[in-house]
Amino acid sequence: RKEVEQDPGPFNVPEGATVAFNCTYSNSASQSFFWYRQDCRKEPKLLMSVYSSGNEDGRFTAQLNRASQYISLLIRDSKLSDSATYLCAVNNNDMRFGAGTRLTVKP
Amino acid sequence: NAGVTQTPKFQVLKTGQSMTLQCAQDMNHNSMYWYRQDPGMGLRLIYYSASEGTTDKGEVPNGYNVSRLNKREFSLRLESAAPSQTSVYFCASSEARGGLAGGRGYEQYFGPGTRLTVT
Repeated sequence: RKEVEQDPGPFNVPEGATVAFNCTYSNSASQSFFWYRQDCRKEPKLLMSVYSSGNEDGRFTAQLNRASQYISLLIRDSKLSDSATYLCAVNNNDMRFGAGTRLTVKP
Repeated sequence: NAGVTQTPKFQVLKTGQSMTLQCAQDMNHNSMYWYRQDPGMGLRLIYYSASEGTTDKGEVPNGYNVSRLNKREFSLRLESAAPSQTSVYFCASSEARGGLAGGRGYEQYFGPGTRLTVT
């Protein structure tokens, strides 16, 4: 079983839709959590950290559920520019990445 | 600030050839990392350097060596390239390793990547 698992998608949604991604992790001792965005043929870029209390940045909301060992990312009012692959990352000294969930937002 | 830079951007090698991938960061970060990214596999850690003067193996170190030349620079060497090493290689850096209270931790920042093909 992979340490960090994501639904690979693709998720195809219309502009303005709300979309949610989940990511599960197997190491209960994991200390910190992140969401990265990766555009085609580019490097991953930090989207947001995921704090224990949950956090929001504009249209993006990240949540952590330690009991069930998953993190989530909610994108509201999707824009065309949100089309990308979203990687979750779980840190327990070494960062472990999910394989990514591909999102396409269509007009 | 350039952030994290990598050279070269693209490389084609024949089986058995060697090469060194270069990485530099200007964020005064202590920790640096090398990853490879393959379709469906996600990013996998090859080697890391928690601080200047130290290096350690990650998940997939076989066939690679690294050098932390100074605080800014961290290079990855393929001594005898194999087709299985065809991949996209990313260098990353962070202020430190590990986590902080409340689910917080040290974010990693990535370079633009090197696309390596071994024939």
